[in-house]
Parts: sequence; structure tokens; C-alpha cells
Amino acid sequence: SQQGEEDPQALSIQEGENATMNCSYKTSINNLQWYRQNSGRGLVHLILIRSNEREKHSGRLRVTLDTSKKSSSLLITASRAADTASYFCATDLIQGAQKLVFGQGTRLTINP
Amino acid sequence: NAGVTQTPKFQVLKTGQSMTLQCAQDMNHNSMYWYRQDPGMGLRLIYYSASEGTTDKGEVPNGYNVSRLNKREFSLRLESAAPSQTSVYFCASSEFWYTQYFGPGTRLTVL
Repeated sequence: SQQGEEDPQALSIQEGENATMNCSYKTSINNLQWYRQNSGRGLVHLILIRSNEREKHSGRLRVTLDTSKKSSSLLITASRAADTASYFCATDLIQGAQKLVFGQGTRLTINP
Repeated sequence: NAGVTQTPKFQVLKTGQSMTLQCAQDMNHNSMYWYRQDPGMGLRLIYYSASEGTTDKGEVPNGYNVSRLNKREFSLRLESAAPSQTSVYFCASSEFWYTQYFGPGTRLTVL
């Protein structure tokens, strides 16, 4: 089964609103990352948060990590039409090999 | 600086045919990866190469082989394609195992 699971699977909001998506994982991690995938394209790295960090910002992105609950959230503020994409969380395991495990993604649609 | 490149972009095969997907990166990364992406399944790791000269199985390696030709190139081979291998294939590279950089993908259809 997947290490990371995003919630919701799909989200549709109006332009200008904030979008929040969540990721839960099962085993202890070193880092958690968020990636974006525009339709038909490869994934693009957005932000990495380490297991000893609780919150991180990058432009309009805010990521939180709660290791006690094994969960993370990605907040996109003041959404734009260009934010329409799928968003994936990815984790690397403390006792795993040198690889990431991706969740199934949240499909975000920003309506003009 | 092209990043990660993949060839071909599209391919249609008949069941039983073989083919090799090519991947190259120009970022001098040590690690390279092959994933497949099916609708609703996210990305699943097929094989990875942590460094030049090493390869390891991922989550779904059956039906595939890989070759780490040199530090830049990592190829994925389907020896006898099956309809279940219809998917979009992504190659990625990274320095160590985080912050991966992805290629544009290869859309493969097996009839």
C-alpha cells in the first residue's frame, strides 16, 4: 500500500481562494516533499520539509509537518488559474533505501 | 542545460514486442529512477540506480530491466511488452535521494 495518501483526491475552488491539501504517511521519515504535476507533464519539486521542522514557507506555499500524527499539509494562498495541477507528497523512509514513495495525489482545479 | 530528457515521447507496441526507453541527465546527479504512472495510482517506482554501477528493484520491477550505462544515462527495457504495461513512464534524477528532477515522460501503449 502507498506510504503517503493525499486528501482530498480532488479539490475545486475559485481563483483567489486558499487551497489546502493533506498528506498522511505510515512510517517514520527523514523528509517530506511536495511536487506539482501539470497535465501531461513531469513532476516539479515545490518544497521539502525535514522531520525536525514544523512549518516552511515558499512564496504562496505553506507546508506544515506533524510527525506525531504522521501528516503534512500544503496550503496555497491566493490561488491562481495557473495553480491548476495535481499535487503529490513524497516521503523518504528512515529505514528505507535511497528512494521516495509518492502518494496518489490531489487534483486541484482553480476556477476563474 | 536540458535537465532530464527522455526518448521517445510516444510509443505504440504490439504485445510481445520489445523496446528500450532512454533517459539522460546533464546535472551530474548520482541517482536515477524509473517510475510508471497509471490513472489514480500515483507514481510507482520500477527500478532505481543510487549511483553509477548499481541498480535496485523498486515497487513494480516485473517485466522490466534497466541499465545504468554511465553517470548520465539510465535506460529501461521491456523485453516482451504486455497490455498491463500501458502507462506513462517517467525518469528522474537526484543528488542523493531527495529533490528529484523529472523528465517529460514517455506515453506507452501496448496493444
